[in-house]
Amino acid sequence: AQSVTQLGSHVSVSEGALVLLRCNYSSSVPPYLFWYVQYPNQGLQLLLKYTSAATLVKGINGFEAEFKKSETSFHLTKPSAHMSDAAEYFCAVIADTGRRALTFGSGTRLQVQP
Amino acid sequence: DSGVTQTPKHLITATGQRVTLRCSPRSGDLSVYWYQQSLDQGLQFLIQYYNGEERAKGNILERFSAQQFPDLHSELNLSSLELGDSALYFCASSRQSSSYEQYFGPGTRLTVT
Repeated sequence: AQSVTQLGSHVSVSEGALVLLRCNYSSSVPPYLFWYVQYPNQGLQLLLKYTSAATLVKGINGFEAEFKKSETSFHLTKPSAHMSDAAEYFCAVIADTGRRALTFGSGTRLQVQP
Repeated sequence: DSGVTQTPKHLITATGQRVTLRCSPRSGDLSVYWYQQSLDQGLQFLIQYYNGEERAKGNILERFSAQQFPDLHSELNLSSLELGDSALYFCASSRQSSSYEQYFGPGTRLTVT
């Protein structure tokens, strides 16, 4: 079964620094991959998605992710962190294109220091 | 605002009780998904409905059931509640198209005491 692994349950960066949140997937076929963000006491918001159209995917709020098949990775980056980026980030994969349910990673909590 | 609505926002109930969570999908979306988010299990898929019919089941307990009505809103019924059922329950919706993305509601926080 397809799954995703997020390395690092907590990441802390300084405001203005590069944000790098890691996600690796296990799959024998090109997957459908997503990054969601969850702000405190809120639902999940879609940041970006990979559906095989392009390997570098741009999302909202200045985030982007690169699909690397050779590394089975889909890491999320942002060049310059902002205080408002503090949240929990989830990588997710569609494990079965027939049923389309999302399988989520365990999440990474991003802390942004002033 | 994703366009997906969920009620109630918070629910506190006792063990052994039964509750119903409600979800209205985005306009035009035919698929509804239910997910549970808990500290020990993380985010888990429970069940999916498409245009009124059950399409897929995940880690849903037998004490839990769901349905999708002709107006496409969905309800998740949780019965014989246990302390361990305390969690955030999310509904998401999508169009059955090639895009695959799902849009999430704000969730219902269930506390079982």
